[in-house]
Amino acid sequence: ETGVTQSPTHLIKTRGQQVTLRCSSQSGHNTVSWYQQALGQGPQFIFQYYREEENGRGNFPPRFSGLQFPNYSSELNVNALELDDSALYLCASSEGLESDTQYFGPGTRLTVL
Amino acid sequence: GENVEQHPSTLSVQEGDSAVIKCTYSDSASNYFPWYKQELGKRPQLIIDIRSNVGEKKDQRIAVTLNKTAKHFSLHITETQPEDSAVYFCAASITGGGNKLTFGTGTQLKVEL
Repeated sequence: ETGVTQSPTHLIKTRGQQVTLRCSSQSGHNTVSWYQQALGQGPQFIFQYYREEENGRGNFPPRFSGLQFPNYSSELNVNALELDDSALYLCASSEGLESDTQYFGPGTRLTVL
Repeated sequence: GENVEQHPSTLSVQEGDSAVIKCTYSDSASNYFPWYKQELGKRPQLIIDIRSNVGEKKDQRIAVTLNKTAKHFSLHITETQPEDSAVYFCAASITGGGNKLTFGTGTQLKVEL
């Protein structure tokens, strides 16, 4: 198992609400990436944070936003939730921008009703 | 952007047989190709990866091959065991400056006794 942790494990929200998901990176890792995994699909890249700055973003609307803290933990915020936002949200950490390997957390299962 | 296609979507083999999963990618600049195994309800786990300067890599019963000219790579599992049953994802990325993975759609491998 990796040292990447996520909270909460499960979450149920209603359409239009806002949600914050949290990720603690593995010790020594300063880069965190977030992915959305819809049921039966592969993970899709949302964005990446390196040393508290956003370093690249996938094809997701601005209501998906993030933050990285000085200890390199990270948050994913989603505003104005839609039914299609129901998915497993995964974060992955790595040692830095030059590091290939990403280690995934267990994910947060978000259900939007 | 990068597009990764993965086949087959489901694969059923008898215990002890070999399993092969194939992926193609579109961006010739991609140079890092990991494979992840995801058991039901668990995080994706890196099982093997290959970089574009290598044509083949092996780790016990698992091997990956890469054909840069054709832009395809494959996962080979020999002597399959029931515990190999899971969903397997291939991915591609360009390393350096942050490693943003583009995933395939996954292969559900079932190893039957």
